[in-house]
Amino acid sequence: QVQLQESGPGLVKPSETLSLTCTVSGGSVSIGNFYWTWIRQPPGKGLEWIGYIYNIGSTDYNPSLKSRVTISVDTSKKQFSLRLTSVTVADTAVYYCARGRSSGWQDYWGQGTLVTVSP
Amino acid sequence: QSVLTQPPSVSGAPGQRVTISCAGSRSNIGAGHDVHWYQQLPGTAPKLLIYGNTNRPSGVPDRFSGSKSGTSASLAITALQAEDEADYYCQSYDTGLSGLYVFGPGTKVTVL
Repeated sequence: QVQLQESGPGLVKPSETLSLTCTVSGGSVSIGNFYWTWIRQPPGKGLEWIGYIYNIGSTDYNPSLKSRVTISVDTSKKQFSLRLTSVTVADTAVYYCARGRSSGWQDYWGQGTLVTVSP
Repeated sequence: QSVLTQPPSVSGAPGQRVTISCAGSRSNIGAGHDVHWYQQLPGTAPKLLIYGNTNRPSGVPDRFSGSKSGTSASLAITALQAEDEADYYCQSYDTGLSGLYVFGPGTKVTVL
């Protein structure tokens, strides 16, 4: 059974960089046709797709966030990571990592981690 | 503002059937891209409910079914149960300016 777990700071100051890591257990981040994905959900609002990494190094990002986002993978640690630079209060959200499939759906999700952007 | 449109809420009594619509356009659903559905219980992560328009992952009851036609899709829940009270999101791929993968705004299902 694949499991994903997000980790990282719960509080980030405006203009700083948000960094989160997703640890994958029960599976590999380097084998299989999977798309390791980040999705976020502002409090009380809907889901927003941030981007994914696949084939160990290829990435695609939401155009609205592309200039600030980097997703990377560390196969030795079975982890993939999210960096979001120059954050503002609008980036406050629950951040989920998930395993995606080639046709676009996410079949396994982490429990999510709340990141608050505040001075 | 999502490029996919869902009703904010639907409700039904236990045992009834409810449907949730997901309206798109020619740049997403109408372009032939698949629609997927997720259920989000309060305080939890979304759970995949339907993938590829009509397919249920293992473990999802057959009370949940998906369909797609033209530029829209629908999720039907039959024999509604109290445990079905949740938010439901549709997802598809969009070739416009809004991003590669988009979610609908979500629909709150209330069991009366």
